[in-house]
Amino acid sequence: LAKTTQPISMDSYEGQEVNITCSHNNIATNDYITWYQQFPSQGPRFIIQGYKTKVTNEVASLFIPADRKSSTLSLPRVSLSDTAVYYCLVGPNNAGNMLTFGGGTRLMVKP
Amino acid sequence: ETGVTQSPTHLIKTRGQQVTLRCSSQSGHNTVSWYQQALGQGPQFIFQYYREEENGRGNFPPRFSGLQFPNYSSELNVNALELDDSALYLCASSHRGTRPTWQYFGPGTRLTVL
Repeated sequence: LAKTTQPISMDSYEGQEVNITCSHNNIATNDYITWYQQFPSQGPRFIIQGYKTKVTNEVASLFIPADRKSSTLSLPRVSLSDTAVYYCLVGPNNAGNMLTFGGGTRLMVKP
Repeated sequence: ETGVTQSPTHLIKTRGQQVTLRCSSQSGHNTVSWYQQALGQGPQFIFQYYREEENGRGNFPPRFSGLQFPNYSSELNVNALELDDSALYLCASSHRGTRPTWQYFGPGTRLTVL
């Protein structure tokens, strides 16, 4: 499974746009990029998934360059409730996939 | 809310004891995965069950075992508890063969081993 590298932590302020970049240099052809959000003492929650170019949903956008060796999760106008750990995962797009989590990015949103 | 439930919420055990954690998957999901999350770290894959059989295992010793029942609910059993087993245990459900393909996590069971 492709290894991912993302910043350990980031700080932001309410109302700002936050971009979290994840590196995955060894991504395989059939790998998808998936982001999860986790609040303290809760299970991870799916945010967004993509394969190439750009994906947008009601929560976030995911930008993937043509070489797919990195991806950027964009959170528009964050609020205090977006304070959480964000995990970038890379792997096959099937429900039986064993998820490999790294350390994630701890986002702190300040007032 | 994902529809995945876990019980109990919290549990305290002593070294050497045995523990059983339970998970009810989201309606319609046939695959259950278990993860261990130590404090300050990302979840680590323990094993996965599909159609009542183990279908993949992470780097965990045999004293970690599990079951999946015909209704797709699942149990995680840990024998001979060690202090390092203290962690948040997460269950995730998904459905093979259909979309979406991501996993839905439960709230977890916090296990403390003294």
